[in-house]
Amino acid sequence: AQSVTQLGSHVSVSEGALVLLRCNYSSSVPPYLFWYVQYPNQGLQLLLKYTSAATLVKGINGFEAEFKKSETSFHLTKPSAHMSDAAEYFCAVSDIAGGYQKVTFGTGTKLQVIP
Amino acid sequence: DTEVTQTPKHLVMGMTNKKSLKCEQHMGHRAMYWYKQKAKKPPELMFVYSYEKLSINESVPSRFSPECPNSSLLNLHLHALQPEDSALYLCASSQEGSNQPQHFGDGTRLSIL
Repeated sequence: AQSVTQLGSHVSVSEGALVLLRCNYSSSVPPYLFWYVQYPNQGLQLLLKYTSAATLVKGINGFEAEFKKSETSFHLTKPSAHMSDAAEYFCAVSDIAGGYQKVTFGTGTKLQVIP
Repeated sequence: DTEVTQTPKHLVMGMTNKKSLKCEQHMGHRAMYWYKQKAKKPPELMFVYSYEKLSINESVPSRFSPECPNSSLLNLHLHALQPEDSALYLCASSQEGSNQPQHFGDGTRLSIL
């Protein structure tokens, strides 16, 4: 079974600093990986997805992630944090199981941005 | 703006009430999902509909009853819920295929008295 592990349930950064949210995956086949963001009282919004076309994936709001097979990682980065980036971030892996798409989410990382 | 619309946004109900949650999408997606999300946790899959047929029921209690009237609508009927059922209920939709992202609504915040 595929899974993802997010290291760090809480990450605090200063406004303008680098954001790095970690995600490692476990999969026996090339995975389809996603990063979602959830703002308070809202649903999940897709930030970016990896589907094997390119190892460096650019997403919305200045975020990007790099797929590293040798490290089984898909870390999310942003060069300069904004206050509006404060939210919960979920890494996810997708597979077809029993004929339907099954998405397995990581436990989430809450990003705090300090002014 | 979310492309998946859920109503109501908030719902408070007693344990003996019957209510329904509604979800609508007009993106032509043929797969639709119900998730339950407790505070500070990731979403947990409840049901999957594919081409308007129930594909997966992740061992959800029968007090939750899903319905897919057509390809754009998904309902979740609630009856005799328990306090532990209080949570954010999220609807999502996607195109077929494991490389397709799911599109989420903003959810219904459900509180059981």
